Amino acid sequence: GNSVTQMEGPVTLSEEAFLTINCTYTATGYPSLFWYVQYPGEGLQLLLKATKADDKGSNKGFEATYRKETTSFHLEKGSVQVSDSAVYFCALPSGTYKYIFGTGTRLKVLA
Amino acid sequence: NAGVTQTPKFQVLKTGQSMTLQCAQDMNHNSMYWYRQDPGMGLRLIYYSASEGTTDKGEVPNGYNVSRLNKREFSLRLESAAPSQTSVYFCASALSGAGAEAFFGQGTRLTVV
Repeated sequence: GNSVTQMEGPVTLSEEAFLTINCTYTATGYPSLFWYVQYPGEGLQLLLKATKADDKGSNKGFEATYRKETTSFHLEKGSVQVSDSAVYFCALPSGTYKYIFGTGTRLKVLA
Repeated sequence: NAGVTQTPKFQVLKTGQSMTLQCAQDMNHNSMYWYRQDPGMGLRLIYYSASEGTTDKGEVPNGYNVSRLNKREFSLRLESAAPSQTSVYFCASALSGAGAEAFFGQGTRLTVV
């Protein structure tokens, strides 16, 4: 079945630093891939998605490219802010109705 | 727009007590989900409902039951709470299946003592 592996945290960065959070997947076919973000005390919300190979999803300065050659969907941001401190989850479908989420990577950005 | 609304936000139960977590969505979504979130474990699927009138087990269904009351509402019941069920519970919905974006409620923090 489909699965996802993302880098463990926590990740601590200074403001304006470059961010990469690694995510690799195994899947049958080419399913949509997602990044979700969870701010403290809240539920998850969609950050970005890509629906096919070589697609780049982007939102709020974050980007991720769907790479089928390396089965990866790494999350990047060129200059993080304190307000980006959150937990980030990589996800993909498993079957028609279910989602699989990674274990989450906590990001802490220091001023 | 309310989106996905969960109640209650916080609950403390004694071992053996029962309770029902409520979830409602106002987006006319077909699919609804219950997850639990534990430190270091990510989100684990408890039950899901692909469409009104159907429910299926997820990864960790033991100790839980669900009811898809109508298209809007999907409740999760703990019949006899155990300390191992201490967790944060999230309800989610999606228009139709896992290719679409899932929308999450704000969560219920449950402590079983």
